[in-house]
Amino acid sequence: EVQLVQSGAEVKKPGESLKISCKGSGYNFAGYWIGWVRQMPGKDLEWMGMIYPGDSDTRYSPSFQGQVTMSADKSINTAYLQWTSLKASDSAMYYCARQGQWEPPSDWGQGTLVSV
Amino acid sequence: QSVLTQPPSTSGTPGQRVTISCSGRSSNIGSNTMTWYQQVPGGAPKLLISRNSQRPSGVPARFSGSQSGTSASLTIRGLQSEDDATYYCATWDDSLNAPVFGGGTKLTVL
Repeated sequence: EVQLVQSGAEVKKPGESLKISCKGSGYNFAGYWIGWVRQMPGKDLEWMGMIYPGDSDTRYSPSFQGQVTMSADKSINTAYLQWTSLKASDSAMYYCARQGQWEPPSDWGQGTLVSV
Repeated sequence: QSVLTQPPSTSGTPGQRVTISCSGRSSNIGSNTMTWYQQVPGGAPKLLISRNSQRPSGVPARFSGSQSGTSASLTIRGLQSEDDATYYCATWDDSLNAPVFGGGTKLTVL
């Protein structure tokens, strides 16, 4: 069974840094893209970008380019999303999800709530 | 403003059939297959339909999807109280080179 387990909720102050994680199991983690999706309170889903853990090839949505950094460590089946200087507007639920290169996400993590 | 357009809300009574629409353009729905998700309050999106009409194991057969031109729809037959949720459509957009989502349709089971 494909599972994506994300790190727990975070409460941070503006200007602080943050790195959240997403650990995959039940499939060849290195062989599938991991996408990140933001959902602000009461709002719809926004695709932030994706990373291919096999070679760390990364594609960012223009809206999030330069705002966040995606990384992955295939040796421990884990992908990461990080910020160097959080803003209040970064407060949201963040989901990781397995996806094909030209397809929407399929399997989703449980989400990580970030409060700034 | 979402790239794909869905009605914000709809409703139905138990046992009824409900259809949720999703419209886009030639670069997204017109060129690629559709995906549908269900999200209950406090939960993560759950895959309902992929590649227009494929249901993952565990998704009841009363959920079905269809696509025609630049529009798509999700149909739920035999509505049940546990179907009370928000439904999102999604597909790949060849111009944006990214997946795009609808704004979500809140289904209320009366």
